[in-house]
Amino acid sequence: GENVEQHPSTLSVQEGDSAVIKCTYSDSASNYFPWYKQELGKRPQLIIDIRSNVGEKKDQRIAVTLNKTAKHFSLHITETQPEDSAVYFCAAPDQGSGNTGKLIFGQGTTLQVKP
Amino acid sequence: KAGVTQTPRYLIKTRGQQVTLSCSPISGHRSVSWYQQTPGQGLQFLFEYFSETQRNKGNFPGRFSGRQFSNSRSEMNVSTLELGDSALYLCASSPGGANVLTFGAGSRLTVL
Repeated sequence: GENVEQHPSTLSVQEGDSAVIKCTYSDSASNYFPWYKQELGKRPQLIIDIRSNVGEKKDQRIAVTLNKTAKHFSLHITETQPEDSAVYFCAAPDQGSGNTGKLIFGQGTTLQVKP
Repeated sequence: KAGVTQTPRYLIKTRGQQVTLSCSPISGHRSVSWYQQTPGQGLQFLFEYFSETQRNKGNFPGRFSGRQFSNSRSEMNVSTLELGDSALYLCASSPGGANVLTFGAGSRLTVL
C-alpha cells in the first residue's frame, strides 16, 4: 500500500520567518494530497489540499507544491505567527482506495513559532 | 451546519472490558471513517463505512469492529481491551465521493 514519510519531525522558527514541511509518497497513482493542522487538544483540521492535476495551490499565507515526478509535496507557511504553532500532518490516499476515506498519514511535524 | 459529533469524549476502561464509541457525521455525508491516534503510531486508519457497508479496512485485529446505521451514524466497538488500545479515536465524515475528511473532536480512551 501507500507509504507517506514526513520531515522534519520538529521545526522551530522565529515569528515572521517561513516554514517548510515535506512529504514523500510511494504510489505514483495517488492523486490527492491534503494537509491537516492539529492544535494541542483539538481535532485535525484540513488547511489546504492539492490534486495531482496542479503543481501549486495557495491560500493566503499557506501554499502546497506537488512534484509528481519526484513523488513529493510540501507545505509552505510564510510570515509565521504564534498561532501557527501546531502539529501538521500530510496524507495521501491508500493504494487502490480511490476517492474514499482511507488516507495514509505522515508521522506529523510539530511546528513551534517563537514570538 | 453541525460538525462531526463524537461521544463519549473521555472514557476509562479496564483490561478485558469492551467499549462502544459513537459518531454522528455532518448532515448529508454518507461516509464515516475511523482513525486511531497515538503518540507513537500517529494517525492510523481503522475502517470506513459508506451506505451501511464497510468499504475499507485497516490493519487492526478483529477486536476492532464497526457499523453504520441508515442515518449514517456510525459506531465502533473494541472488545477485550488491552493497555495498548489507549488512544484518541477520531471519526471523520466525507460526502462519499471524495476523500476530503472532516474530523470530530475524538473519544479519548484510557485502558487501565
